[in-house]
Amino acid sequence: GDSVTQMEGPVTLSEEAFLTINCTYTATGYPSLFWYVQYPGEGLQLLLKATKADDKGSNKGFEATYRKETTSFHLEKGSVQVSDSAVYFCALSSTDSWGKLQFGAGTQVVVTP
Amino acid sequence: SAVISQKPSRDICQRGTSLTIQCQVDSQVTMMFWYRQQPGQSLTLIATANQGSEATYESGFVIDKFPISRPNLTFSTLTVSNMSPEDSSIYLCSVGGGGLGTYEQYFGPGTRLTVT
Repeated sequence: GDSVTQMEGPVTLSEEAFLTINCTYTATGYPSLFWYVQYPGEGLQLLLKATKADDKGSNKGFEATYRKETTSFHLEKGSVQVSDSAVYFCALSSTDSWGKLQFGAGTQVVVTP
Repeated sequence: SAVISQKPSRDICQRGTSLTIQCQVDSQVTMMFWYRQQPGQSLTLIATANQGSEATYESGFVIDKFPISRPNLTFSTLTVSNMSPEDSSIYLCSVGGGGLGTYEQYFGPGTRLTVT
């Protein structure tokens, strides 16, 4: 079945550091890929998405590229802020189960001043 | 995107009782889902709420424990029945389709349930 694997946290960074969160997936067909963010005490927000190979999703300085050859969708940001402290979830929706999201375990990111 | 509200936002309940959670969206959507997020964990899909018919449950979840209604394209309820402390979680509804785009889902703020 479909699965998503993302790097374990917590990831602790200083402000203005470079952030990478690795995400790899296993899926049948051609999934759509997503990053969601959950700020403390809040629900999930869609951060970015990519629906086909080589697509790059971007939002709020975050980027991720859909790499079919490596089945990866790594999240990056060049210069993090304290306000980026949150839990980040990688997720996929495969073509044969449209709408159902399979989530990774989540990666907590802590940015210190 | 969509504006999604959930009621209640949080509750503390006694074991053996039931709680009904409401999810309201500000536009008609094709898909509505219910997820559970146990403390410190990722999200697990409970069921797909189908408008006008019975919900479709994922493995490990049954209708007697988590009855779901979806009377129209903007509203759904999830009931957590005969609760035990293991049901303490955040319950989130999500929506997709309709005018929201083909692939993405949007989540409500969640209902934080504590069972004592």
